[in-house]
Amino acid sequence: AQTVTQSQPEMSVQEAETVTLSCTYDTSESDYYLFWYKQPPSRQMILVIRQEAYKQQNATENRFSVNFQKAAKSFSLKISDSQLGDAAMYFCAYRSAFGIGYALNFGKGTSLLVTP
Amino acid sequence: SQTIHQWPATLVQPVGSPLSLECTVEGTSNPNLYWYRQAAGRGLQLLFYSVGIGQISSEVPQNLSASRPQDRQFILSSKKLLLSDSGFYLCAWSGTPFNYGYTFGSGTRLTVV
Repeated sequence: AQTVTQSQPEMSVQEAETVTLSCTYDTSESDYYLFWYKQPPSRQMILVIRQEAYKQQNATENRFSVNFQKAAKSFSLKISDSQLGDAAMYFCAYRSAFGIGYALNFGKGTSLLVTP
Repeated sequence: SQTIHQWPATLVQPVGSPLSLECTVEGTSNPNLYWYRQAAGRGLQLLFYSVGIGQISSEVPQNLSASRPQDRQFILSSKKLLLSDSGFYLCAWSGTPFNYGYTFGSGTRLTVV
């Protein structure tokens, strides 16, 4: 199974500043999808952004953007103009484009603290 | 639009008691369905997934089982709960296109005492 690694258990950022969360993954596949999910204190999992491996252009959703480096198997999330509501656990996830079920493999998460 | 319902939200059960968590999806047909468990301070562990009625795949052998009696219903069960079954359980569904990821239910916090 593919392994997803988030090396930063906790991160802190000041309001209005920019923060980058790291994610690396291990795979031998050429086609796959990558995701960042946010889990606020309510524990509801919310999709933040997604990236198709075959696309070279980095995905962007408002203040959220990714730096996808396919050769390095790296998929970092950048949050610009951080807001208090961004405080949450962030999970990086990998989904194979092949195989039945198409299960998501998650990293262990990064807890993001946003300070005023 | 598609919605996913999961209940109960919170459950406290004694060791050795049975368990039944239910998940239903509305607004779609033939979804892929998943059960995940999130232990404290850890990521999400895939427990079971189903690609159709009666089709269940287990990722981690343990004290739990899953069933899919209807197209949009997914049930997580146990005959006898263990203390180690405590955790946060999430149901999710996915459809096509696959790059849309999963949509998760609101979760069930299970405490086995």
